[in-house]
Amino acid sequence: GDSVTQTEGQVTVSESKSLIINCTYSATSIAYPNLFWYVRYPGEGLQLLLKVITAGQKGSSRGFEATYNKETTSFHLQKASVQESDSAVYYCALTPGTGGYKVVFGSGTRLL
Amino acid sequence: VTLLEQNPRWRLVPRGQAVNLRCILKNSQYPWMSWYQQDLQKQLQWLFTLRSPGDKEVKSLPGADYLATRVTDTELRLQVANMSQGRTLYCTCSAGLGGLTGQLYFGEGSKLTVL
Repeated sequence: GDSVTQTEGQVTVSESKSLIINCTYSATSIAYPNLFWYVRYPGEGLQLLLKVITAGQKGSSRGFEATYNKETTSFHLQKASVQESDSAVYYCALTPGTGGYKVVFGSGTRLL
Repeated sequence: VTLLEQNPRWRLVPRGQAVNLRCILKNSQYPWMSWYQQDLQKQLQWLFTLRSPGDKEVKSLPGADYLATRVTDTELRLQVANMSQGRTLYCTCSAGLGGLTGQLYFGEGSKLTVL
């Protein structure tokens, strides 16, 4: 089946330093799934941060960006300069490109 | 703007007792409603997607049995039974299937704790 792997359960980054949260995926139901990053800020509900539905494209939002790399099946989340307000739990996710409705989530990475 | 209203938000559930959860959709532009569970290890897992009133599905997972019902165009219910470990159930909605419409909007969750 389809799966998403986030290897770090928690990362600690000093303010103004750069961030990368790793995400790799395995999609057996379709070659090119749609890829998402969701975020949960403290005290808030889970919400979409950014999405990319075309392999090779980059998505960006709130200073974060992620590139859909079909060669390495990765969708790492990056930010050049982290702020305290970025502290949250980040989830990488995928859906099948057409006809599918189930979203498959990674296990989440907490940013401190 | 809140798209989904879930209740109850928290519930203590005596072992062996079932609990009924409710989710109300506030915007008909996102009619695809789903349930996701988040276990104690924080893993989010899809349970059901129900589109039409009258749709029902059952599922047994480690730690709980589920019965989901799409009651009306705006109401989704979930019965949780035989729960052995606590979990949080999230209602979601989306505009459709796949592509950009795969984007989910989450409710605030119903946190269940086993007594």
